Amino acid sequence: DIQMTQSPASLSASLEEIVTITCQASQDIGNWLAWYQQKPGKSPQLLIYGATSLADGVPSRFSGSRSGTQYSLKISRLQVEDIGIYYCLQAYSAPYTFGAGTKLELK
Amino acid sequence: EVKLLESGGGLVQPGGSMRLSCAASGFTFTDFYMNWIRQPAGKAPEWLGFIRNKANGYTTEYNPSVKGRFTISRDNTQNMLYLQMNTLRAEDTATYYCARGDWEAIDYWGQGVMVTVSS
Repeated sequence: DIQMTQSPASLSASLEEIVTITCQASQDIGNWLAWYQQKPGKSPQLLIYGATSLADGVPSRFSGSRSGTQYSLKISRLQVEDIGIYYCLQAYSAPYTFGAGTKLELK
Repeated sequence: EVKLLESGGGLVQPGGSMRLSCAASGFTFTDFYMNWIRQPAGKAPEWLGFIRNKANGYTTEYNPSVKGRFTISRDNTQNMLYLQMNTLRAEDTATYYCARGDWEAIDYWGQGVMVTVSS
């Protein structure tokens, strides 16, 4: 199985701050990487797909990038509504695998 | 509007069986791969498997962690997705989600249904 190592596990940031979360794939997964945001008691919501494409309705302060087998999610100016847990998902090969998650809190 | 609504969860004894359902609406069901994903409380989601779309013959793929115990099926006349779970274990306790999509994007998830395996 492809392992997705996500970091950091938790992150405390201030409003308007730039936030970056990363996932390291254990092998090449091309651009088949998605990012999700999950709020308490809710299902995950798609933010980024294809490593860099913004999902419909997602604010432009979210962006995704790739450098080799490392993938990053960047929030350019943190807002209150961005608080939650973020997961990456590789869909390059089955079984698809998620990162362990990053809990983002307000400082 | 895309909607996915799971049902059929609850409490089941270890070794028992349960079938989850997912009612889909707002899109052409047969055009899409459909997935089951579960999430134990406080943990990351785990992909369980998918059933392909009409163009790909409705074939299935499973996570080895559940292969042989779980079966994914679909009723394309009713826009329904199913997950048959057999020989359930305590570690199968989780919220189960159906979700639409394939390697390009798993884009919509249902609200989830809880399954508790306990005596």
